[in-house]
Amino acid sequence: DVKVTQSSRYLVKRTGEKVFLECVQDMDHENMFWYRQDPGLGLRLIYFSYDVKMKEKGDIPEGYSVSREKKERFSLILESASTNQTSMYLCASSFLTGAYNEQFFGPGTRLTVL
Amino acid sequence: GENVEQHPSTLSVQEGDSAVIKCTYSDSASNYFPWYKQELGKGPQLIIDIRSNVGEKKDQRIAVTLNKTAKHFSLHITETQPEDSAVYFCAACSRDDKIIFGKGTRLHILP
Repeated sequence: DVKVTQSSRYLVKRTGEKVFLECVQDMDHENMFWYRQDPGLGLRLIYFSYDVKMKEKGDIPEGYSVSREKKERFSLILESASTNQTSMYLCASSFLTGAYNEQFFGPGTRLTVL
Repeated sequence: GENVEQHPSTLSVQEGDSAVIKCTYSDSASNYFPWYKQELGKGPQLIIDIRSNVGEKKDQRIAVTLNKTAKHFSLHITETQPEDSAVYFCAACSRDDKIIFGKGTRLHILP
């Protein structure tokens, strides 16, 4: 079974803090993704990566950056957290390049920025 | 770019009845349409998908239909059970090789 784990289930941070969300997958997948999930807005892609040290912007990259130093690990960074970044963050991975492939999701991190 | 509309946003059905969730997409070049189910406290999980070269696909109690001419596709769940209660997301693979998700449908199965 593919396992995607996220470092925290719940996180509370203050405005202006630097926040790191970590994601690890154990199936040697090439591709990793970060989404945010908000009520009424569904899943929106923030960033994705097709290879180590490679990243591409998704639909809502503003205010976020990412890091992929190792194949199994994909980090989402909020350089200076703001209240409008309060959300559920979901990490996903897939084996093959391209969207025509099943994405395996982690359980999510619910981030609250005060 | 691709845009995916999903309806309804909330759906309540009696246990044993059928549930239907509908989605429309805008990019006629899209040709892959997965459905994901998200149970409480978990990430979404793929339950069924369909490619544009078929009109219908079935897996036990769930089926998906695709009408490429009208650019809509639907998820059908028959003989609903309590464990079907979840949020369901449709998605379409756009021409730039990205998956665009619908906004989700919260399905409640009533006892």
